[in-house]
Amino acid sequence: DAKTTQPPSMDCAEGRAANLPCNHSTISGNEYVYWYRQIHSQGPQYIIHGLKNNETNEMASLIITEDRKSSTLILPHATLRDTAVYYCIVRVGANNLFFGTGTRLTVIP
Amino acid sequence: IAGITQAPTSQILAAGRRMTLRCTQDMRHNAMYWYRQDLGLGLRLIHYSNTAGTTGKGEVPDGYSVSRANTDDFPLTLASAVPSQTSVYFCASSGTGLSTDTQYFGPGTRLTVL
Repeated sequence: DAKTTQPPSMDCAEGRAANLPCNHSTISGNEYVYWYRQIHSQGPQYIIHGLKNNETNEMASLIITEDRKSSTLILPHATLRDTAVYYCIVRVGANNLFFGTGTRLTVIP
Repeated sequence: IAGITQAPTSQILAAGRRMTLRCTQDMRHNAMYWYRQDLGLGLRLIHYSNTAGTTGKGEVPDGYSVSRANTDDFPLTLASAVPSQTSVYFCASSGTGLSTDTQYFGPGTRLTVL
């Protein structure tokens, strides 16, 4: 699986959009980009995934650049409950999600 | 629907003892996984099973064994625990073993080996 690079931490004001970047410059054509988050010490929670088109669901939007070398997870209106570690994962293999160290997002009141 | 349950929630174990962590899912998912997460790090895959009756090794399988006798259960066994196995263990499942399939995680088991 391709390596991903994320900033270690970010802050976001409550109610504002949180934009979490991820670089995956070695991504291959058939590798999906997945985002998970982990709140405190709970199990990771799936957020969204995509291949090359932008995706949106009830939790977030995923913007993937045309060359697919980077992506951005957007939480449109961050709340305090969105404080978590966010993991960007590029996955081609069936059996494993390679988690890096992620971005610790802190939503500030 | 409970999803994925893990037991115990936490455990303190003496080195050299045998321990089995339990994982049960009620989503009829074919694929199941065991990960460990050490303090401040991401998750690492220990073992996986794409379907009942089959298992495979992940990134860090040494010291662990698994079995998959049926669809719902995927126990992880530490035959002789060592302090380096102190970690939080997460079980996950997905409908299939395909790369397009989302994995859903349990609440974790916090294991301390002294």
